[in-house]
Amino acid sequence: GAGVSQTPSNKVTEKGKYVELRCDPISGHTALYWYRQSLGQGPEFLIYFQGTGAADDSGLPNDRFFAVRPEGSVSTLKIQRTERGDSAVYLCASSLSGLYQETQYFGPGTRLLVL
Amino acid sequence: AQSVTQLGSHVSVSEGALVLLRCNYSSSVPPYLFWYVQYPNQGLQLLLKYTTGATLVKGINGFEAEFKKSETSFHLTKPSAHMSDAAEYFCAVSGDGYNKLIFGAGTRLAVHP
Repeated sequence: GAGVSQTPSNKVTEKGKYVELRCDPISGHTALYWYRQSLGQGPEFLIYFQGTGAADDSGLPNDRFFAVRPEGSVSTLKIQRTERGDSAVYLCASSLSGLYQETQYFGPGTRLLVL
Repeated sequence: AQSVTQLGSHVSVSEGALVLLRCNYSSSVPPYLFWYVQYPNQGLQLLLKYTTGATLVKGINGFEAEFKKSETSFHLTKPSAHMSDAAEYFCAVSGDGYNKLIFGAGTRLAVHP
């Protein structure tokens, strides 16, 4: 079956611009996660959705970052007034219902470069 | 709070040799522990996980890991390395606050002939 997909695979933007990153989770998965992976580091948690609501957004670094999941499937991560420090790979993952022991399935990521 | 430490950012082994990748965790609640592998330009793929029960966990591609509570460790091993095992490996913990994964910094495994 289809896995988690993310678009675009690469995004180059200029400092100060607005970007949107899209995630299509596995069909039927109610839990969706965003992570950010900087060069040479492990992924860092950003936000967790259960259905349409953001159950935990404690990892969002500041108010320039926002994410939505209006119909409980596709999610969009939005970054306003991008900064060079936002350059990273943004990973999306989904799991069946959000239980601790469940496997999170990751997409291939969106590589964001802010010039 | 939870954290993960992976000792050794780079590990190099000969083909056919034992692979040992170290992971230590800190957790104030019973942990759930995971190993993921990341091949170049690909997403993270689950190798194995410990939730409850048997402390020796077997995963895909011949890898296994043992949960040792007294040592707060979850080291990953494989008896005989293959060239195809060359990748980056991440240890992760969850169980404290929803299901977010806390990852280590990763270990890059190189396998040489």
